[in-house]
Amino acid sequence: EAQVTQNPRYLITVTGKKLTVTCSQNMNHEYMSWYRQDPGLGLRQIYYSMNVEVTDKGDVPEGYKVSRKEKRNFPLILESPSPNQTSLYFCASRPTSASGNTIYFGEGSWLTVV
Amino acid sequence: AQTVTQSQPEMSVQEAETVTLSCTYDTSENNYYLFWYKQPPSRQMILVIRQEAYKQQNATENRFSVNFQKAAKSFSLKISDSQLGDTAMYFCAFIGPFGNEKLTFGTGTRLTIIP
Repeated sequence: EAQVTQNPRYLITVTGKKLTVTCSQNMNHEYMSWYRQDPGLGLRQIYYSMNVEVTDKGDVPEGYKVSRKEKRNFPLILESPSPNQTSLYFCASRPTSASGNTIYFGEGSWLTVV
Repeated sequence: AQTVTQSQPEMSVQEAETVTLSCTYDTSENNYYLFWYKQPPSRQMILVIRQEAYKQQNATENRFSVNFQKAAKSFSLKISDSQLGDTAMYFCAFIGPFGNEKLTFGTGTRLTIIP
């Protein structure tokens, strides 16, 4: 089954404690990205990756890092989380052959920073 | 930069009625794609319908259809015979023609179907 898997799905952490949200896809997609969803703001892109070892900033990259060492994995790293990073996070993937290709979303990760 | 605007933060409609959700966008591109996503209380992102800008025919998927007005940059979603399971947040989204394009979302419309 084609899927994008995120972990953890729910996390409460404290300010400044480094955390990683993992994302893995089993469809051999080149393009992967991270979004955050906040009330009244819709979904905003944090980072994206066109392929292995190729990453770039989205609209709201401050406070986040990513890596793409393998095609299937695209972890989101919060080096020093702050309360304003409390949000719902989505990982997504698609082939790059055409931008209109179906985008597959993970189930979301709820992150609370206290 | 592309922008997507959903001007109706909340809507409600009686079960079995028809409802239309509005979306406008701004772009200088000629080729692009538009989407409507449904987000039920589970928060899963579910693709409802997709429209390719170079196709003049409006997309339809069962009870869901769009009114795509390219010149007006408008992309509304019509839900016919609404059902309780249609209660969700609906997001309009835009993506340009290139492989490195991001999906730009509107702020969403919260739709409630009333029994």
